[in-house]
Amino acid sequence: GQQLNQSPQSMFIQEGEDVSMNCTSSSIFNTWLWYKQEPGEGPVLLIALYKAGELTSNGRLTAQFGITRKDSFLNISASIPSDVGIYFCAGQYGAGSYQLTFGKGTKLSVIP
Amino acid sequence: DADVTQTPRNRITKTGKRIMLECSQTKGHDRMYWYRQDPGLGLQLIYYSFDVKDINKGEISDGYSVSRQAQAKFSLSLESAIPNQTALYFCATSDHSEQFFGPGTRLTVL
Repeated sequence: GQQLNQSPQSMFIQEGEDVSMNCTSSSIFNTWLWYKQEPGEGPVLLIALYKAGELTSNGRLTAQFGITRKDSFLNISASIPSDVGIYFCAGQYGAGSYQLTFGKGTKLSVIP
Repeated sequence: DADVTQTPRNRITKTGKRIMLECSQTKGHDRMYWYRQDPGLGLQLIYYSFDVKDINKGEISDGYSVSRQAQAKFSLSLESAIPNQTALYFCATSDHSEQFFGPGTRLTVL
């Protein structure tokens, strides 16, 4: 089956620093999604990517759909304490197949 | 009001008990999903439903069953709970690719 490798597993950064995380797949995906999960809550969709090479921003967050269609990147600029949480990537393979394959998450801690 | 709601939010039960987790959505989506989340792991798909008459097994369906009572309601049952089913359970809905999650149910099986 399809597998997603998400890295890093965890990050400790100073407030104001930029953050980068990525996901790589053994297979091609047609859609990449990035979610954030805070303690005690469900994942919340941050950014959706639908085309290879696509670069999409949502405030201080920017995500890219890799050209090979086997990877995706999420960057957070000028981190703030409320960025704390677990960030998950998710890939979707085919049209009509709405199942998502999730990475194991990147746990982000921001030191004020 | 939340678009996707789950009840209960927390449940502690004993081995062998039957448990039902419920999910309701007001987004009008046809597709609904049940996931399990264990610490340090991503979300694993238990069951999914593309409409009221369509139920499909996910990657970890053993020990679970579901019922799609209406477009807006999708429930997950553990017929005889066991301790390794202790986890966070999430319901999600989608119209196309983007899935929207409920707040989760924390289930502990003693």
